[in-house]
Amino acid sequence: DADVTQTPRNRITKTGKRIMLECSQTKGHDRMYWYRQDPGLGLRLIYYSFDVKDINKGEISDGYSVSRQAQAKFSLSLESAIPNQTALYFCATSDLAASGSGEQFFGPGTRLTVL
Amino acid sequence: GESVGLHLPTLSVQEGDNSIINCAYSNSASDYFIWYKQESGKGPQFIIDIRSNMDKRQGQRVTVLLNKTVKHLSLQIAATQPGDSAVYFCAEQGGGSNYKLTFGKGTLLTVNP
Repeated sequence: DADVTQTPRNRITKTGKRIMLECSQTKGHDRMYWYRQDPGLGLRLIYYSFDVKDINKGEISDGYSVSRQAQAKFSLSLESAIPNQTALYFCATSDLAASGSGEQFFGPGTRLTVL
Repeated sequence: GESVGLHLPTLSVQEGDNSIINCAYSNSASDYFIWYKQESGKGPQFIIDIRSNMDKRQGQRVTVLLNKTVKHLSLQIAATQPGDSAVYFCAEQGGGSNYKLTFGKGTLLTVNP
């Protein structure tokens, strides 16, 4: 079984709709992240969370919100989707204490298309 | 500000040849670097990492070289195989952050049989 899972894997929606992307992990990591990937732009950080009570904005948080429901779950919401939010979204986890480094482990991604 | 960039957006090699993928970074305070491999339809996968107190680290068929003087990072893949075809990203961390990774834009490696 995958350590980091994302649902859905693909989603097509319309402008103005509310969308939630979900991420679950079985690695027991305390840190979770949401990234967005666009062609030619690499991965950009949207939000990150160090534990259930800690939520922080990344470099491109506008138009997004997150919820850390439990240590193992971190969801990303688009309150009112717009076409330029069409992208590939990745969830990642890390555990600094365990690994001693900043290595992040990624889920398989969610391809979101906003029409 | 921080930036991580790649010199070559695409690289095409013959099977069996060695591949070298380059990365430039601008934050001299970065102290940890990672190379990730991303295959089509998958999330990035860790390949190898290196800390700033080292200039070379070897893994299985891969070697990462770090030149702090010119802020340059490279990934060498020995005896490149078709399964190595993917997008490769470098990422840097540091400058007071122990969590934030700044990713480069990626290099597409294509291995020709």
